[in-house]
Amino acid sequence: EAGVAQSPRYKIIEKRQSVAFWCNPISGHATLYWYQQILGQGPKLLIQFQNNGVVDDSQLPKDRFSAERLKGVDSTLKIQPAKLEDSAVYLCATQGQGLDTQYFGPGTRLTVL
Amino acid sequence: AQSVTQLDSQVPVFEEAPVELRCNYSSSVSVYLFWYVQYPNQGLQLLLKYLSGSTLVKGINGFEAEFNKSQTSFHLRKPSVHISDTAEYFCAVSAMNTGFQKLVFGTGTRLLVSP
Repeated sequence: EAGVAQSPRYKIIEKRQSVAFWCNPISGHATLYWYQQILGQGPKLLIQFQNNGVVDDSQLPKDRFSAERLKGVDSTLKIQPAKLEDSAVYLCATQGQGLDTQYFGPGTRLTVL
Repeated sequence: AQSVTQLDSQVPVFEEAPVELRCNYSSSVSVYLFWYVQYPNQGLQLLLKYLSGSTLVKGINGFEAEFNKSQTSFHLRKPSVHISDTAEYFCAVSAMNTGFQKLVFGTGTRLLVSP
């Protein structure tokens, strides 16, 4: 079974530029999460999707961050414009219906200069 | 709301020595408990989980953890570590009423195993 795929693995941009990350979940997994992991901290939930609907986006900085999950499969997370404090690893995780484990992708490391 | 405290940011240990990584949590409701491991430049991988039943949980790679409800702890242990265990370890909780969702992570403990 293929795992969670993310791209790109690394991205370097300058502040005020925009950037997008892509996540392809494990086949059949209805729930998808985006986490932000700042260096030295644990992952923090940004947004949770159930199929193509948003379940929880209470910690998403909506003035600059947006996310979508068209057709309930792949998802993209966008930052526009980026700030220095957005430098972090962005992790995508997916979970099957009724299952107790979230499966994580390798993450995208973003550096904002 | 839930919170997780991992008091040790870094734990150095020699190969073949035992190790314990500490995790304490706070929650007003019952929780499920998880330990994840993160190797350099990789995502998080589940080590073990406590959902119910026996308070001693065994996971992959020889790790085990014990749930102590009175002390609100879920410490991770391994009797003999290997160089390959060098990684970041995260404790996480999920409130039972969320159906295994909404993980809240601790800040992580870096395990450094030297020869």
